[in-house]
Amino acid sequence: EVQLQQSGAELGKPGTSVKLSCKVSGYNIRNTYMHWVNQRPGKGLEWIGRIDPANGNTIYAEKFKSKATLTADTSSNTAYMQLSQLKSDDTAIYFCAMGDYDGYYWGQGTLVTVSS
Amino acid sequence: DIVLTQSPALAVSLGQRATISCRASQSVSISRYNLMHWYQQKPGQQPKLLIYRASNLASGIPARFSGSGSGTDFTLTINPVQADDIATYYCQQSRESPNTFGAGTKLELK
Repeated sequence: EVQLQQSGAELGKPGTSVKLSCKVSGYNIRNTYMHWVNQRPGKGLEWIGRIDPANGNTIYAEKFKSKATLTADTSSNTAYMQLSQLKSDDTAIYFCAMGDYDGYYWGQGTLVTVSS
Repeated sequence: DIVLTQSPALAVSLGQRATISCRASQSVSISRYNLMHWYQQKPGQQPKLLIYRASNLASGIPARFSGSGSGTDFTLTINPVQADDIATYYCQQSRESPNTFGAGTKLELK
């Protein structure tokens, strides 16, 4: 069974960075894309970007190009997302997901709260 | 970016049919593949894949869920609706990056 296990909730101060992780079991991430999606409180789903773990190539949504940095470690089958220069409106649940043409399978989400 | 438009809410009675639509601002099809997918999300949970490539039932999903459509117009049908189906439903395209989502349709009981 494929499982995506995300790291725990984060509390970050404005202007700082946080790094989230997403460990995949039951599937080799070299054979898929890893995506990150956010959901602000009471809002819908917003695609941040994706990484191809096989070669490290990334694509970002325009509004996240200076906010998010995606990386992946194929030796540990884990994807990462660093969020920089945190602001209050970065408060959201961040989901990792794997897949592409056949839809996504999702992690459980990580709540990031930005507060001083 | 491809914009996906969904109605915000749909009220339905238990045991009846629910039809949720999603319209794309441009075609999401490549060759014979319609790169539109449907997800169910309940409060406090991650989205769950229901239908991939417009009409294919994801693993473990009950047969009362079905999908159809091509090009720019797609439909998710739930028939018959059960109490456990009360949730928000999102369409998503993976035709091109960014992989956009619809704003979601909240399925409510009439």
